[in-house]
Amino acid sequence: AQKVTQAQTEISVVEKEDVTLDCVYETRDTTYYLFWYKQPPSGELVFLIRRNSFDEQNEISGRYSWNFQKSTSSFNFTITASQVVDSAVYFCALSEGNNAGNMLTFGGGTRLMVKP
Amino acid sequence: DAGVIQSPRHEVTEMGQEVTLRCKPISGHDYLFWYRQTMMRGLELLIYFNNNVPIDDSGMPEDRFSAKMPNASFSTLKIQPSEPRDSAVYFCASSPDRGRAFFGQGTRLTVV
Repeated sequence: AQKVTQAQTEISVVEKEDVTLDCVYETRDTTYYLFWYKQPPSGELVFLIRRNSFDEQNEISGRYSWNFQKSTSSFNFTITASQVVDSAVYFCALSEGNNAGNMLTFGGGTRLMVKP
Repeated sequence: DAGVIQSPRHEVTEMGQEVTLRCKPISGHDYLFWYRQTMMRGLELLIYFNNNVPIDDSGMPEDRFSAKMPNASFSTLKIQPSEPRDSAVYFCASSPDRGRAFFGQGTRLTVV
């Protein structure tokens, strides 16, 4: 069975601080995909990134970066120089490779509050 | 592209009433998903379709829930009869092949 754990339910930082959101996953598949989604107060789910299990290269996109480590089954997300607009709930999700589609198993989410 | 469109955005209904949620996926996407978000259970998959055919409905909570996809551009999720514990935000999402899932804005359902 697949499982995604986001141990941090809520994080509060002051603007311009760096913050890392943790994600640990469990799967028996060798082929799988990992995702991060952002859910701002307006409620929609915004796609941030997708990684496949064969690509452990870390990725940077502006102030966002992701650290994928298969050895620890982790896919952590770092926001550098956080801004108030980053305040949202962030979800990590897993899709196993044998799925016909992209059935997502979500973690419980981490609520990030960035204070001015 | 307008993205995934869900209607209504908000629905308030009385217990026992039938509720129908609607979704228009992105054109060309072969997969359509219905998710439910609650405080207690988080985001959970209810059912998904591939080329309009239901593939996995193991997440549908009980027989009161049903979903259809009569064509590639429309899907419905129906609850009959509705109960207060069905109150949640229901998301529809679509994806191409193995691509990322695009989510609609959700329908916030309140059953009183």
